[in-house]
Amino acid sequence: NAGVTQTPKFQVLKTGQSMTLQCAQDMNHNSMYWYRQDPGMGLRLIYYSASEGTTDKGEVPNGYNVSRLNKREFSLRLESAAPSQTSVYFCASSRTGYGYTFGSGTRLTVV
Amino acid sequence: QQQVKQSPQSLIVQKGGISIINCAYENTAFDYFPWYQQFPGKGPALLIAIRPDVSEKKEGRFTISFNKSAKQFSLHIMDSQPGDSATYFCAASGGSNYKLTFGKGTLLTVNP
Repeated sequence: NAGVTQTPKFQVLKTGQSMTLQCAQDMNHNSMYWYRQDPGMGLRLIYYSASEGTTDKGEVPNGYNVSRLNKREFSLRLESAAPSQTSVYFCASSRTGYGYTFGSGTRLTVV
Repeated sequence: QQQVKQSPQSLIVQKGGISIINCAYENTAFDYFPWYQQFPGKGPALLIAIRPDVSEKKEGRFTISFNKSAKQFSLHIMDSQPGDSATYFCAASGGSNYKLTFGKGTLLTVNP
């Protein structure tokens, strides 16, 4: 039982480059989320998808886009990476909106 | 606007002691209050959660105390162990809003 799988685990980008963070869950959960974690800031919601076919902005959506590809997969795209987007990114999923299951994270550095 | 305020930022406890982490919330629509535990290099994992219809929930050495009128809840770790050393996050969600709002986290260190 893999739970929530995130790829890649580590990434270094140059300013202005683009990339997509992938997330997949095998628990048949309806809702999926992308958070970023920065020292002293806790976990801040970037985007979420309450159900397949819907996406909504969270607290810090600027500079990001998302795609809910199907019920299992929810990707996060950085179109033009900036140093301020250096962070650890976590994907999570939940069946009902409660009891999130988190992935192990993607550590992104933008130089 | 920070909807969930967590304190302290860091906490050092001796083995066998009690660790207490506090959170306060503002949104009266919140009806679900979980605590997450995160070890270095890992994602957060659900530790224990409470709904406002009860004032306390206990699971092993971990207890959530909830005060609805004060809009506060806290995590108590009894008989703290070095293996409990981690970052702890409180969170809240409610109503039709499925989004969890997290506190900023508390780094707990339990000295042997």
